[in-house]
Amino acid sequence: GENVEQHPSTLSVQEGDSAVIKCTYSDSASNYFPWYKQELGKRPQLIIDIRSNVGEKKDQRIAVTLNKTAKHFSLHITETQPEDSAVYFCAASKGASGGSYIPTFGRGTSLIVHP
Amino acid sequence: GAGVSQSPRYKVAKRGQDVALRCDPISGHVSLFWYQQALGQGPEFLTYFQNEAQLDKSGLPSDRFFAERPEGSVSTLKIQRTQQEDSAVYLCASSLASGGGEQYFGPGTRLTVT
Repeated sequence: GENVEQHPSTLSVQEGDSAVIKCTYSDSASNYFPWYKQELGKRPQLIIDIRSNVGEKKDQRIAVTLNKTAKHFSLHITETQPEDSAVYFCAASKGASGGSYIPTFGRGTSLIVHP
Repeated sequence: GAGVSQSPRYKVAKRGQDVALRCDPISGHVSLFWYQQALGQGPEFLTYFQNEAQLDKSGLPSDRFFAERPEGSVSTLKIQRTQQEDSAVYLCASSLASGGGEQYFGPGTRLTVT
């Protein structure tokens, strides 16, 4: 089955700095890569996703890059703000029976943005 | 509109008790997923429904775990004879079926087995 590794487990930055979180996956058939943000005690929420036919996607201060050959993808957050502090999860998935995607999640990165 | 809801939000069970966790998905969402999230870990897949059909239950850790979605909307995850290692947050998520990757998560049920 799929195996997703995520690094670092903890990331501490100053407000305004950039933050980068990296993930690798093992199943070359995976073709959908969502990123979720989970604030303490709250539900995971999708912040950005990328499909395997695209190498990069950007949405305001966040961007995701995908290298299919190397089987790794990264989340980039620029101009970090204290409200970006949360746990971020990457995931890799492929189409399942019925058309949905069943993601395998990384173990998460706790991002702390110091004011 | 209303998001995914789960009940109860917190459940304390004595070891050996049975528990039932409920999930109300977003109206019209065909796919429904259950995950187990241990402290400090990412969600781990348990099982997946499309409408009332359970298409994948490969993540259920033992035969003590059972899930159903009899009418293709509300789902229940049942754990029989709970054990301490079952303590975790159980997350439910729903999504549109075809091609859509985004899953909308519920707030979770925190189960503590004493």
